[in-house]
Amino acid sequence: ELKVEQNPLFLSMQEGKNYTIYCNYSTTSDRLYWYRQDPGKSLESLFVLLSNGAVKQEGRLMASLDTKARLSTLHITAAVHDLSATYFCAAPLSGYALNFGKGTSLLVTP
Amino acid sequence: DAGVIQSPRHEVTEMGQEVTLRCKPISGHNSLFWYRQTMMRGLELLIYFNNNVPIDDSGMPEDRFSAKMPNASFSTLKIQPSEPRDSAVYFCASTLNLQEAFFGQGTRLTVV
Repeated sequence: ELKVEQNPLFLSMQEGKNYTIYCNYSTTSDRLYWYRQDPGKSLESLFVLLSNGAVKQEGRLMASLDTKARLSTLHITAAVHDLSATYFCAAPLSGYALNFGKGTSLLVTP
Repeated sequence: DAGVIQSPRHEVTEMGQEVTLRCKPISGHNSLFWYRQTMMRGLELLIYFNNNVPIDDSGMPEDRFSAKMPNASFSTLKIQPSEPRDSAVYFCASTLNLQEAFFGQGTRLTVV
């Protein structure tokens, strides 16, 4: 069974600081997805990583994928309050459906 | 495109009643997923369809749950009879060849 594990599950950080969220998955997968969810809202696609070594950046967020290590990271640079949300990583199960991690709740404080 | 459309957005029902959730995927997408989100269990995959055919329903919790996709533009998730423990947010998502999954706004179900 594919397991997707994120850490940390909760993260409180000050504005302006950098931090990394980690996502490990238990079986071979050549792709990994990151989503953002604001309270009471739906999931918004952030990044789609489709190959080993893939790196994508959008604003203060950068995601990378190491398929050999079965690891993806979401790096936050100079955090701002607007980044406060829950971030999920997901890997495909049986080639189709996405299996999600438990999410990382991020709170950025002044 | 308007994105994935779910209805209703909110549903409050009494235990034992039948509940039907609806989803319209993005036009042209060939896979559709139903997820359930709760604080305790996170995001759980219930069932997914590929080209309107159910591929894996092992996540459907009980026989009380059923899902159909009669055509490429419509799917339903039915709970009969509903129970308080079914209270959750139910999301529908669609994708084209798993390039990127787009989620609907969800249906918040409360069973009292």
